[in-house]
Amino acid sequence: KAGVTQTPRYLIKTRGQQVTLSCSPISGHRSVSWYQQTPGQGLQFLFEYFSETQRNKGNFPGRFSGRQFSNSRSEMNVSTLELGDSALYLCASSLAERQANYGYTFGSGTRLTVV
Amino acid sequence: QKEVEQDPGPLSVPEGAIVSLNCTYSNSAFQYFMWYRQYSRKGPELLMYTYSSGNKEDGRFTAQVDKSSKYISLFIRDSQPSDSATYLCALKPHSGSRLTFGEGTQLTVNP
Repeated sequence: KAGVTQTPRYLIKTRGQQVTLSCSPISGHRSVSWYQQTPGQGLQFLFEYFSETQRNKGNFPGRFSGRQFSNSRSEMNVSTLELGDSALYLCASSLAERQANYGYTFGSGTRLTVV
Repeated sequence: QKEVEQDPGPLSVPEGAIVSLNCTYSNSAFQYFMWYRQYSRKGPELLMYTYSSGNKEDGRFTAQVDKSSKYISLFIRDSQPSDSATYLCALKPHSGSRLTFGEGTQLTVNP
């Protein structure tokens, strides 16, 4: 059974550019969440999607957005990149919100570097 | 003040030692408790989850929750070099899906 797949693994962008990251959840999982991991702030919740609807959003500026497709694959977009957006972006999936009580399965992440 | 406090370490122990990792939290809304292990350049991997106060054991790992003290622990018995990783506690309220993570404790087990 394939795990959570995130692409690309590594990305280097310039300040002011925008970026799109992709996440394919475990087959059958309908809930996808995104987290940002930095050395200073640790793992912080970005947003969660279930059945193509955003169910929850963290405290991030509007430059961070996402969406989920009918096949449960999800993308997140960051516009007008800032140096502080450099981080590991992690995607996690679960069958449904209730199953999240028992933990998410995370992907290996996309390492974004903004220069 | 952070909702979840976790000593970042680093923590270095000899092989075979018993390791104790801890988190404290302030929000009594947290009802579900998880421990993740993260190796370098990898995503977090779920180790254990628990709901109620008390102990839960899985092989060499024991998770302990004390809701009255808002204190959770992970014990690793007979630690191995392969246990060297960052350990993150994650907490979740009854409703909603957002996990709140501790900062993570970096553990090194020396052969």
